[in-house]
Amino acid sequence: TQLLEQSPQFLSIQEGENLTVYCNSSSVFSSLQWYRQEPGEGPVLLVTVVTGGEVKKLKRLTFQFGDARKDSSLHITAAQPGDTGLYLCAGAKGTYKYIFGTGTRLKVLA
Amino acid sequence: DTAVSQTPKYLVTQMGNDKSIKCEQNLGHDTMYWYKQDSKKFLKIMFSYNNKELIINETVPNRFSPKSPDKAHLNLHINSLELGDSAVYFCASSQEGRRETQYFGPGTRLLVL
Repeated sequence: TQLLEQSPQFLSIQEGENLTVYCNSSSVFSSLQWYRQEPGEGPVLLVTVVTGGEVKKLKRLTFQFGDARKDSSLHITAAQPGDTGLYLCAGAKGTYKYIFGTGTRLKVLA
Repeated sequence: DTAVSQTPKYLVTQMGNDKSIKCEQNLGHDTMYWYKQDSKKFLKIMFSYNNKELIINETVPNRFSPKSPDKAHLNLHINSLELGDSAVYFCASSQEGRRETQYFGPGTRLLVL
């Protein structure tokens, strides 16, 4: 059962454009993580959000956790080719179990 | 300097064979995980081990048997491989107090013919 739906599934944009990726669920999570995965490698953690409504910034990336802790968004400002990759959200269900989202494949064209 | 390492990186085998994938972490973490990523890039947890004890088993067929000889290692043995087992298998680890920060290995690409 897919518990975390990401949208869009694919995104191809020009360098310098802004974009937002959404991660939605009907379940409540104790925390939510965003990862980026590049071809041939494992996912790398970008950020963890814990509190409902929390906003975190990582350079040009802004992450927000929904008030009800069921959804999250990732906004990238002035995208660069180096931002290309597979973005995955993951929600924590308890201490040792993580549900990953369906993924968003981003391609930023120079 | 590799934090989480897996061997082999590629594994091509015939249906019905038995194979093992090894994972080692040098981060001193107390929890390790196995995930399966399918061709659509969907990543699904298979097992979680804390201090060498099985914590999570996500309805994985019993052909898959994880073994943790110590806190730094979590191996995955697969019996009677099936075509549907073809995927990328990722090992990860995390630590008490920062449980949500998982470090992933580079993955093992398994192809069953």
